[in-house]
Amino acid sequence: GENVGLHLPTLSVQEGDNSIINCAYSNSASDYFIWYKQESGKGPQFIIDIRSNMDKRQGQRVTVLLNKTVKHLSLQIAATQPGDSAVYFCAENIEGGSNYKLTFGKGTLLTVNP
Amino acid sequence: DADVTQTPRNRITKTGKRIMLECSQTKGHDRMYWYRQDPGLGLQLIYYSFDVKDINKGEISDGYSVSRQAQAKFSLSLESAIPNQTALYFCATSDSHQETQYFGPGTRLLVL
Repeated sequence: GENVGLHLPTLSVQEGDNSIINCAYSNSASDYFIWYKQESGKGPQFIIDIRSNMDKRQGQRVTVLLNKTVKHLSLQIAATQPGDSAVYFCAENIEGGSNYKLTFGKGTLLTVNP
Repeated sequence: DADVTQTPRNRITKTGKRIMLECSQTKGHDRMYWYRQDPGLGLQLIYYSFDVKDINKGEISDGYSVSRQAQAKFSLSLESAIPNQTALYFCATSDSHQETQYFGPGTRLLVL
């Protein structure tokens, strides 16, 4: 959708490096953000989420950062592995509150070179 | 996610045919969604249902209809398929108290 976009449509990294995937959003009322990973031939898989009252949230090898001032979301993957190669989508709950409808970005293709 | 299943996984049909895509879930979630995915366009919401008696249109509902037969089942129909409905179709579910949506494996549809 127009309110959720990605700065880089493709990203290529070396195995073991850290990856950063960026996402911009334009609706300041969005109160929930989520990252999905989609491998070839599969459905999107939940990675990590963050609410608007937080700036940072960490998972296993992944960190999501939220900068509400500039309406920017990023996904950091530590020690990127070949199995991380996939398309990564950000999504936002653009209407806020309990409506819980997600608007998805177009995705970034991450390629991990061995 | 094995908790959300879609049938068929692949389908080839001809223009003008009526087809149905089915989704079942064992997660016990109230809410179910149908999305369409085209290359370079991300996921677009077709229809969604917050409970068995609730059906809502999404961004691109024209040419589609849905049926929520039970809490665990949500089917998508193309009344008269056309070639530009060739796409990947995903079903998703969520709990009424959380925003996280869980997706099925998808159905690849080709309309000739």
